[in-house]
Amino acid sequence: KNEVEQSPQNLTAQEGEFITINCSYSVGISALHWLQQHPGGGIVSLFMLSSGKKKHGRLIATINIQEKHSSLHITASHPRDSAVYICAVRSNTDKLIFGTGTRLQVFP
Amino acid sequence: NAGVMQNPRHLVRRRGQEARLRCSPMKGHSHVYWYRQLPEEGLKFMVYLQKENIIDESGMPKERFSAEFPKEGPSILRIQQVVRGDSAAYFCASSDGTRSNEQFFGPGTRLTVL
Repeated sequence: KNEVEQSPQNLTAQEGEFITINCSYSVGISALHWLQQHPGGGIVSLFMLSSGKKKHGRLIATINIQEKHSSLHITASHPRDSAVYICAVRSNTDKLIFGTGTRLQVFP
Repeated sequence: NAGVMQNPRHLVRRRGQEARLRCSPMKGHSHVYWYRQLPEEGLKFMVYLQKENIIDESGMPKERFSAEFPKEGPSILRIQQVVRGDSAAYFCASSDGTRSNEQFFGPGTRLTVL
């Protein structure tokens, strides 16, 4: 079993839909990252959080430390949101442990 | 304020050659992390360095791979005698080592071994 599990693995949506991606982890962490990667592209850090909730534009990230679970929400999705979204937890030794990613496609 | 820089962005090597990948951290950052993304796979930690020190190399293959972060200049990930299975995207991230210690990623180097 992976230390970081994401669901779903693949997700398709119509433009405007509300999207949720989930991440569960089984190790002790000091922080959790949500990352975005476009095909053949670099990695952009969307959020780093260790408690509660953060919002940036149409993106919202939440974390529940007790349940070892985080969610990434995208409101009013747009085709340009199409990318792979990766959950990564920062271990107590500072290295990142990654989920396998969620491939999102948003159609007009 | 430039972000994390990696070069080259694309590198092609023949089997048996050496590959050198460079990472210049963000200004003010003294912590560097290397990650590898094999084709169709997720990212995996390789090594964590501070200036002149290797902090954690638990993700490095035992042979042919080495990393350094000298007092001056970029961090180098070196792969000797490359094999086809080394073809991957190699990402570097840097952080400032403060309490938040957020990591910022470079654009990656895509290594292709022919």
